[in-house]
Amino acid sequence: EEQLLDSGGGLVQPGGSLRLSCAASGFTFSTYSMSWVRQAPGKGLEWVSVISGDGGTKYYADSVKGRFTISRDNSKNILYLQMDSLRADDTAVYYCARGSSGPDYWGQGTLVTVSS
Amino acid sequence: DVVMTQSPLSLPVTLGQPASISCRSSQGLVYRDGNTYLSWFHQRPGQSPRRLIYKVSIRDSGVPDRFSGSGSGTDFTLKISRVEAEDVGVYYCMQGTHWPRTFGQGTKVEI
Repeated sequence: EEQLLDSGGGLVQPGGSLRLSCAASGFTFSTYSMSWVRQAPGKGLEWVSVISGDGGTKYYADSVKGRFTISRDNSKNILYLQMDSLRADDTAVYYCARGSSGPDYWGQGTLVTVSS
Repeated sequence: DVVMTQSPLSLPVTLGQPASISCRSSQGLVYRDGNTYLSWFHQRPGQSPRRLIYKVSIRDSGVPDRFSGSGSGTDFTLKISRVEAEDVGVYYCMQGTHWPRTFGQGTKVEI
């Protein structure tokens, strides 16, 4: 059974950093592109970033470009999102999801709160 | 960016009655491979989104057949033939053809 387990969220001060992880199981991780999608409190879904199966291609939303870095370790079946220079408007639940054209499996989400 | 516009944003429904949500894109969603990457997701409060429909009209495994997707070009629709209590929540359309990927604002369905 395909599963995605998000972790790494927490409270961080503006300007700080955080690294999110997503542990995948139940499928051949390296053959799928993976995405991060976020949802601010009470708001809709916002796509953040995607990485190809081999890690060679990455895309970012303009709102996070230059501050966030997506990566993956196919030997460990883990997806990462390194978040630097965090701002209050980055506060959200962050979901990892399998695929990029219409993600079919989603993690449970991890809450990131940026506040002093 | 491709703007996805859903309507209505709030949809009161009656159990056993049909319901319909519209999603319009600011650009066509046909990819160079000939596919149209338009998906529908359902999110209940406190839960992760669940994909219901992909490539306009293909239902995901386990999705009841009362859900159907249709459309082409820039105009798409999600229909529920007979609403059940478990269908409440927020529905999102998403385009997976252009970068960046974009979602509609969401349609809140309540009984």
